[in-house]
Amino acid sequence: DAGVIQSPRHEVTEMGQEVTLRCKPISGHNSLFWYRQTMMRGLELLIYFNNNVPIDDSGMPEDRFSAKMPNASFSTLKIQPSEPRDSAVYFCASSAGRYTEAFFGQGTRLTVV
Amino acid sequence: DQQVKQNSPSLSVQEGRISILNCDYTNSMFDYFLWYKKYPAEGPTFLISISSIKDKNEDGRFTVFLNKSAKHLSLHIVPSQPGDSAVYFCAASPPIQGAQKLVFGQGTRLTINP
Repeated sequence: DAGVIQSPRHEVTEMGQEVTLRCKPISGHNSLFWYRQTMMRGLELLIYFNNNVPIDDSGMPEDRFSAKMPNASFSTLKIQPSEPRDSAVYFCASSAGRYTEAFFGQGTRLTVV
Repeated sequence: DQQVKQNSPSLSVQEGRISILNCDYTNSMFDYFLWYKKYPAEGPTFLISISSIKDKNEDGRFTVFLNKSAKHLSLHIVPSQPGDSAVYFCAASPPIQGAQKLVFGQGTRLTINP
């Protein structure tokens, strides 16, 4: 398996634009997570899905953020409109369930100017 | 509310010596703990885990210790090697039926000096 695949690796956008980050989890994993890494807050959990259903989105910072998982092999994280303070590295991860490790993608570095 | 805390932002250790990374948590419901390692421009990679029913788990040079009464876990690396230089994150998971939620600490940057 190729592991968790995220795209794009880098995204530079202007303030106010819509940004969509994409993730393909490992086949057979039933949990998917979106994290954001910043210097100040480390790795923050934004939202996670179990069997394609959002379980906990309490980490989503504002209504400008939304996430979907239309099927077991694809998820998106959308920011609209984007702001400079959204600049961070966004990670997607997947796991096979309880008491198993989560595998991370290589991340998307988002810069909003 | 930071439920998982790594109070040391950085640690410097001489090659060949023991590296000890610490992590504290506040939620007594956490029942599964993990350590991840992260190199620049890469995603975190899993190192070792421990269930709350154990107090020690060992894998090669890496050993994780769990002290439930103190709500504290630590990662020991012996002997430390230059390739161990990275950011280390601890993570904890509460018991959620059929799912897993990982809460991470802020990370500790470990530097191994030759």
